[in-house]
Amino acid sequence: KAGVTQTPRYLIKTRGQQVTLSCSPISGHRSVSWYQQTPGQGLQFLFEYFSETQRNKGNFPGRFSGRQFSNSRSEMNVSTLELGDSALYLCASSFLSGGSYNEQFFGPGTRLTVL
Amino acid sequence: SQQGEEDPQALSIQEGENATMNCSYKTSINNLQWYRQNSGRGLVHLILIRSNEREKHSGRLRVTLDTSKKSSSLLITASRAADTASYFCATDRYTGNQFYFGTGTSLTVIP
Repeated sequence: KAGVTQTPRYLIKTRGQQVTLSCSPISGHRSVSWYQQTPGQGLQFLFEYFSETQRNKGNFPGRFSGRQFSNSRSEMNVSTLELGDSALYLCASSFLSGGSYNEQFFGPGTRLTVL
Repeated sequence: SQQGEEDPQALSIQEGENATMNCSYKTSINNLQWYRQNSGRGLVHLILIRSNEREKHSGRLRVTLDTSKKSSSLLITASRAADTASYFCATDRYTGNQFYFGTGTSLTVIP
């Protein structure tokens, strides 16, 4: 099976712009989670989608949003970019959601730089 | 806020030695997992231990879990240069697929 893919891999934006990142999960996986990784805050959970519904949400402002399509592909959007949004954004997919075994498979990430 | 804290933050050992890193967390968990990350890339799942398990092995990896102390340890035996990476513990609660990652241990294995 192909792994989790994320596009684009690198992105440079300026403050105030918005950005959309894409994630394609492993075939058959219905749960997609997004994480932000920064040197200062480490890995922080953004949100999780399962069957097109947002099931869990981390402590991020409303500028961060996401969605999931019927084929389980997911997008996350960040509006009105701030310098502090510069980070590695990781997507992870798993077969189950909320079950007893939730191994997550991570994509390579999208490196977002906000200037 | 993050759920877990790894200790030590950085660890440097010689090839062939064992490496031990610890993870502490704050609340009751469903599972605890360990991941490896190479130099700013995606995370690779290493091992999962459930809250009712105390020890688990996978190849050169040994994980222990002490739910009374809310802590876990990862032992890598006979380390190799290729083990150089950052290691994270991640916990999930019973309420869903929301993972909390620790701060990570940066392991350097010197050939």
